Amino acid sequence: KNQVEQSPQSLIILEGKNCTLQCNYTVSPFSNLRWYKQDTGRGPVSLTIMTFSENTKSNGRYTATLDADTKQSSLHITASQLSDSASYICVVGGPRVRFGAGTRLTVKP
Amino acid sequence: DGGITQSPKYLFRKEGQNVTLSCEQNLNHDAMYWYRQDPGQGLRLIYYSQIVNDFQKGDIAEGYSVSREKKESFPLTVTSAQKNPTAFYLCASSFPGGDYTEAFFGQGTRLTVV
Repeated sequence: KNQVEQSPQSLIILEGKNCTLQCNYTVSPFSNLRWYKQDTGRGPVSLTIMTFSENTKSNGRYTATLDADTKQSSLHITASQLSDSASYICVVGGPRVRFGAGTRLTVKP
Repeated sequence: DGGITQSPKYLFRKEGQNVTLSCEQNLNHDAMYWYRQDPGQGLRLIYYSQIVNDFQKGDIAEGYSVSREKKESFPLTVTSAQKNPTAFYLCASSFPGGDYTEAFFGQGTRLTVV
């Protein structure tokens, strides 16, 4: 079983709507968690990073939250735009870096 | 500039041939990873290496081989034994663990078997 599980696997929303992507992990000990955005056919790029002492981090319309007690993180996207259509990957640092499989988000006009 | 480079960006292979995808990094990272991504699907780990001259199978290693003779390089060979090789391949690197765990990704190689 992967130590980083993301849900949903895919999501379709209308432009302008908000959405939340989920990342649950079992990595221990935990050091930090990053969210990446991957446009189709490109390599992922980092959106946010949080250590165990941080519980929220924003990057424009993207807000990541972290609950280190329950080992859950979420990425909230506000007022979605067509350019938000991408895969979002959760990567957790610990004794070894662990990658989630990603959530594929499609924003429709 | 520091970074991770995959080449080529597009690769075509005839059925039955082996092909090698290149991944090079100058970030002084010990750990390197190969992932496969199919349309509409998530990342699946093929192989990873935590240190030079050592590597481990991931979830879908069958039909693939790797080497890690240098810290900077982690080439992936897609062999003729791989039944469905057409996919997008991503290479990543990081420090092996602890606090410095930002993973850097390459731009990917799209392999098409013709």
